[in-house]
Amino acid sequence: DSGVTQTPKHLITATGQRVTLRCSPRSGDLSVYWYQQSLDQGLQFLIQYYNGEERAKGNILERFSAQQFPDLHSELNLSSLELGDSALYFCASSAYEGHGYTFGSGTRLTVV
Amino acid sequence: AQKITQTQPGMFVQEKEAVTLDCTYDTSDQSYGLFWYKQPSSGEMIFLIYQGSYDEQNATEGRYSLNFQKARKSANLVISASQLGDSAMYFCAMREGQLYSGAGSYQLTFGKGTKLSVIP
Repeated sequence: DSGVTQTPKHLITATGQRVTLRCSPRSGDLSVYWYQQSLDQGLQFLIQYYNGEERAKGNILERFSAQQFPDLHSELNLSSLELGDSALYFCASSAYEGHGYTFGSGTRLTVV
Repeated sequence: AQKITQTQPGMFVQEKEAVTLDCTYDTSDQSYGLFWYKQPSSGEMIFLIYQGSYDEQNATEGRYSLNFQKARKSANLVISASQLGDSAMYFCAMREGQLYSGAGSYQLTFGKGTKLSVIP
């Protein structure tokens, strides 16, 4: 157990639907990063939060959004899902920015 | 240009032998960090080793060592005495920017990975 908890582990949904992925960072970690891993794009950075504030955006689609709550857990919302959104979504956390990234076990999203 | 290049899509190594996985990087920052992660077939990302750009010594963690050649911008992972459990995807990643400056987001940029297969 890495200390970073992601739920659900697996998710199957239909095109056009909306889903929410949840991440609880390791205790004490203030930074949360979201990554998408797909066969064609590899591991891509989506978005980062630090202590509740958005810090950086990467290759995140407008249909996707995220937030970090006061208890530091984060949610990634994916809407108007398309087949191409099928991927493994990782959350990582770090105590200090740039150090000690710990990854969760990921949420495998399948859009049918 | 790709920031992280892993030129070996797949590698085979005999059990108990050493293997080197290649990684070259591209950055104009003076301060950066290089990471290696292992991803077994179960999917989780397991941190292996870290090298900071100002670290003078090559990083080592058990059977893992990082051959850091700054001038060549390479950060190869060396796994000694390979084990069957080492069969997995291996990713090289880079974090750019000066730490604690408040100026960066410090996300990791990943290479496309190398699939290592250990043969009994």
